[in-house]
Amino acid sequence: AQSVTQPDIHITVSEGASLELRCNYSYGATPYLFWYVQSPGQGLQLLLKYFSGDTLVQGIKGFEAEFKRSQSSFNLRKPSVHWSDAAEYFCAVGVASGTYKYIFGTGTRLKVLA
Amino acid sequence: ETGVTQTPRHLVMGMTNKKSLKCEQHLGHNAMYWYKQSAKKPLELMFVYNFKEQTENNSVPSRFSPECPNSSHLFLHLHTLQPEDSALYLCASSQEGLAGRIDTQYFGPGTRLTVL
Repeated sequence: AQSVTQPDIHITVSEGASLELRCNYSYGATPYLFWYVQSPGQGLQLLLKYFSGDTLVQGIKGFEAEFKRSQSSFNLRKPSVHWSDAAEYFCAVGVASGTYKYIFGTGTRLKVLA
Repeated sequence: ETGVTQTPRHLVMGMTNKKSLKCEQHLGHNAMYWYKQSAKKPLELMFVYNFKEQTENNSVPSRFSPECPNSSHLFLHLHTLQPEDSALYLCASSQEGLAGRIDTQYFGPGTRLTVL
């Protein structure tokens, strides 16, 4: 069955430090992969997506993610975190099985220390 | 208005009330979705509408009743809810095209529902 695992429920980093959020997926076909961010009380905003081609994708707000097929991973990275990055981050895989839908991970809540 | 809008943003209702959540997308998309977001649980897909036709119902209780009068509007009618239905309800839209092609879903800000 398709699934997405975000092993870190909470992560705390200092402002200016680098960040990596982990995402592993289980899907038999070529995955369509997404990272979304959700600020408190808000909906989900797309950070970046991978459909095909270059396995390193750039997104908004200085984020990037790398697709590694051999590891079934799509980890999100940022070289220098800003206090405004504090939010919850969701990884999702898009599946086409009759109808199109996303499978979401449980999210990683990021806290940024000043 | 741009993107996906949802009203109301907050709703408190009793278990015997009837209310409706509204979603409108201004992106020209042909597919719309309702999700439920509860604390410490993954987003749960509830309903999918493609070209106004319901294409998925993820075993959602009948106290939730969706309606999609056109490709821009989506409603979620609520009646006799339970306290465990309290959650953030998110609407999303996307453009579904070629077979097998997954496109980006754009989300609204959500409606925070509290059932007393």
